[in-house]
Amino acid sequence: EVQLVESGGGLVQPGRSLRLSCAASGFDFDDFALHWVRQAPGKGLEWVAGVNWNSATITYAASVKGRFIISRDNATNSLHLQMNRLRPEDTAFYYCTKGPYSSIWDEYFQHWGQGTLVTVSS
Amino acid sequence: QSVLTQPPSVSGAPGQRVTISCTGSSSNIGAGFGVQWYQQLPGKAPRLLIYDTNNRPSGVPDRFSGSKSGTSASLAITGLQGEDEADYFCQSDDLSLRGYVFGTGTKVTV
Repeated sequence: EVQLVESGGGLVQPGRSLRLSCAASGFDFDDFALHWVRQAPGKGLEWVAGVNWNSATITYAASVKGRFIISRDNATNSLHLQMNRLRPEDTAFYYCTKGPYSSIWDEYFQHWGQGTLVTVSS
Repeated sequence: QSVLTQPPSVSGAPGQRVTISCTGSSSNIGAGFGVQWYQQLPGKAPRLLIYDTNNRPSGVPDRFSGSKSGTSASLAITGLQGEDEADYFCQSDDLSLRGYVFGTGTKVTV
């Protein structure tokens, strides 16, 4: 059974940094692309970033490009999101998701973690 | 921001059929990309309901079906049940944004 477990969320002040992690199990980790999708409380879904199976291809939403860094460690089956220069509008549940392919293109989000809440406020 | 537009809410009586529209543009749905639909129950993570426009993952009842025409897509729920009360989101690729876009979301009330 595919399991994705996020951690690292919490309350952080605007302008500070936070690092999210996602521990994966139940599948061949290095065969699949992974993504982060977020959802502000009571709002819709927003794709944030994606990384292909070997980290050769990485892409970001315009709203986070230059501030967030997605990375993966195939040795430890983990996905990370380094969030820098955080803004109040980054407040959201952050979900780790897995698609059916190794490439980050033409994907869909087949499996989801339970999410971790990031609150950016002074 | 969402670039796929959905109605905020739809409702129906148990057993009825409801449809949810998802309107995009020539850079996403109209570009030939598949459309996905996700169901989100209150307080839960989203769940994949339909992929590649009209395919159901294992475990999803055949009461759910998807279709696409031009720059729009639709999700149909037949034989509506109380457990179908949830938020539903469409999703596609977007050429202009070079990423993925979601719909604005639709709350289904039974």
